[in-house]
Formats: sequence, C-alpha cells, structure tokens
Amino acid sequence: GAGVSQSPSNKVTEKGKDVELRCDPISGHTALYWYRQSLGQGLEFLIYFQGNSAPDKSGLPSDRFSAERTGGSVSTLTIQRTQQEDSAVYLCASRPQGRGGDTQYFGPGTRLTVL
Amino acid sequence: ILNVEQSPQSLHVQEGDSTNFTCSFPSSNFYALHWYRWETAKSPEALFVMTLNGDEKKKGRISATLNTKEGYSYLYIKGSQPEDSATYLCASSGGSNYKLTFGKGTLLTVNP
Repeated sequence: GAGVSQSPSNKVTEKGKDVELRCDPISGHTALYWYRQSLGQGLEFLIYFQGNSAPDKSGLPSDRFSAERTGGSVSTLTIQRTQQEDSAVYLCASRPQGRGGDTQYFGPGTRLTVL
Repeated sequence: ILNVEQSPQSLHVQEGDSTNFTCSFPSSNFYALHWYRWETAKSPEALFVMTLNGDEKKKGRISATLNTKEGYSYLYIKGSQPEDSATYLCASSGGSNYKLTFGKGTLLTVNP
C-alpha cells in the first residue's frame, strides 16, 4: 500500500518568507509526528497529532512554527518569517492507533533551505 | 544517561566484514527501542522495534539485541554488502505520546 508522502521534496526560500510543508500519512493511521534534522544534529521531535488534535507541541522551536491536521489525515507544517537556522530536513511519520510500540512509518522528508 | 547516544559516529568497512554499532538510552520512562536504516533522499526504513529486556531480533543479515536494565542496544550486520551503506538510527520511545528520541546515527560505508 501507499506509504507516507511529503511535499515538496525540496524547498529553497528567502529569509523572511513563509513556507508550508505537507504530509500525507498512511491511511487509517491516527497518530502523526513531525521531526526535523538540522545539520550535525539528530532527528528532533517537533509535534504530535492524535487525530486532529495536537496534545504535544513541546518540540516546536518558536511561535513562528505551527501545524494543523484536518480530517484525521493530511497535516501541514507552517513556518512563518523563515530564518537561516530553520534550514533542515523535515520528516513526517505516522503510526496506527493503539500500541505505543508500533513502528512509526516515515516519509522521505522535505529538505528546506533558507537563503 | 540523559540522551540517546550512538557510537561510532561513522564506520568504514570492507565488503564481507561483519560490524556492530552501539546505542545507549535512558532507562527511565522507557517503552521501546527502535532501529532505522536511512539512505540519503529516502524514507527512514524501520528495522526493529524491541520492548523487552533480552529481546533479540533478526532480519536477514542484520540483528539487534536489547538490554533495558543497563540501557543499551547493539545492531549487528553480518557479511556487510555495499548496499548496506546508510545511516543507522536508533531511537527510544516512551511517555504518553510515544514520540521518538533519536541518537545522531552511525554512518556506515561498505567498500566493495
């Protein structure tokens, strides 16, 4: 079946512009996560959705970052007034409802470059 | 141990060599240990999820073990092939939302 998809695969933007990153999770997966990997760092948690609600936003680095999920499916991560330190690979993952030990399935990521 | 740590940071081996990597993690608030294989421009591929102390899992030439009491996991690759070249990530999950806390990965390069 279809895996997690993300778009765009690459995004180059100028400092100060807003960007939107999209994630299409695996159908039926109720849990959705956003992570990012900055240069030289490990993957860092950003936000967790259960259905359409986000009970854990603790990883969002600033109020310029926001995310939403609609219909229990597609999620959009928005970064306003981008800064150079926002350059990173942004990954989305989904997990079926229930057992926390279940695997998180990742998309291929969006590579964001802020000039 | 406060964070997930992986060693070595990078590794170069010859085709046919066997190799292993280490992942250490906080044993408090632990639920599961995950191993992923990540090739550039592709999705991280799940290899194993382990939850119980003493767990051992195997997938072809790759295997992993888990020690939750001392907070470490080993990943083994037997008879490395060039297609095994990738970054190997480990992550622990726990808490109410099972978010993953990752190490920085081990970059494996297998030379033909």
